[in-house]
Amino acid sequence: DAKTTQPPSMDCAEGRAANLPCNHSTISGNEYVYWYRQIHSQGPQYIIHGLKNNETNEMASLIITEDRKSSTLILPHATLRDTAVYYCIVKAGGYQKVTFGTGTKLQVIP
Amino acid sequence: GAVVSQHPSRVICKSGTSVKIECRSLDFQATTMFWYRQFPKKSLMLMATSNEGSKATYEQGVEKDKFLINHASLTLSTLTVTSAHPEDSSFYICSASTGRQETQYFGPGTRLLVL
Repeated sequence: DAKTTQPPSMDCAEGRAANLPCNHSTISGNEYVYWYRQIHSQGPQYIIHGLKNNETNEMASLIITEDRKSSTLILPHATLRDTAVYYCIVKAGGYQKVTFGTGTKLQVIP
Repeated sequence: GAVVSQHPSRVICKSGTSVKIECRSLDFQATTMFWYRQFPKKSLMLMATSNEGSKATYEQGVEKDKFLINHASLTLSTLTVTSAHPEDSSFYICSASTGRQETQYFGPGTRLLVL
């Protein structure tokens, strides 16, 4: 799997948009960008994934640059419950294993 | 959405005993499941890939005789920690892949404490 680089921590004011960046400069053409988050003492929660195009679901938006070397996860209106460690992962299709980096610890501040 | 459960959620056992952890995909069939271990304030570390009807594939450094994995059906995989020791105390998490783009969904985790 390609490696990803994320800032170790970020703060965001409650109600504001949280923009979490991820660099994946060695991503291959068949690899997807996945985002998961892990709230303390729980299993990781799937958020969103994409290949080339920007994606949006009820939880978040995923913006992938045209060269696919970086992406940004956007939580449009952060709440205190969004405080978690966010992992950006690149993974090829199929039943491929997921390799977790260190992620970004997002702290949402009241 | 896809739901993965684990049982038990937490277990305390004596050193030298064996502990079995179950991972179930509740609303989908999972040909492949994965087992992870997470130590405090650390990221998840993949232990093994569990394939239905065949032997598991272990990551380098993971003892296959200590961490027994059985994937007997398309909805159940089990991890047995044999002869557990205090250093095996950790948070064990499983995941399972759905058929659609093989997105992995994770269980809630099992916290093991070996005394």
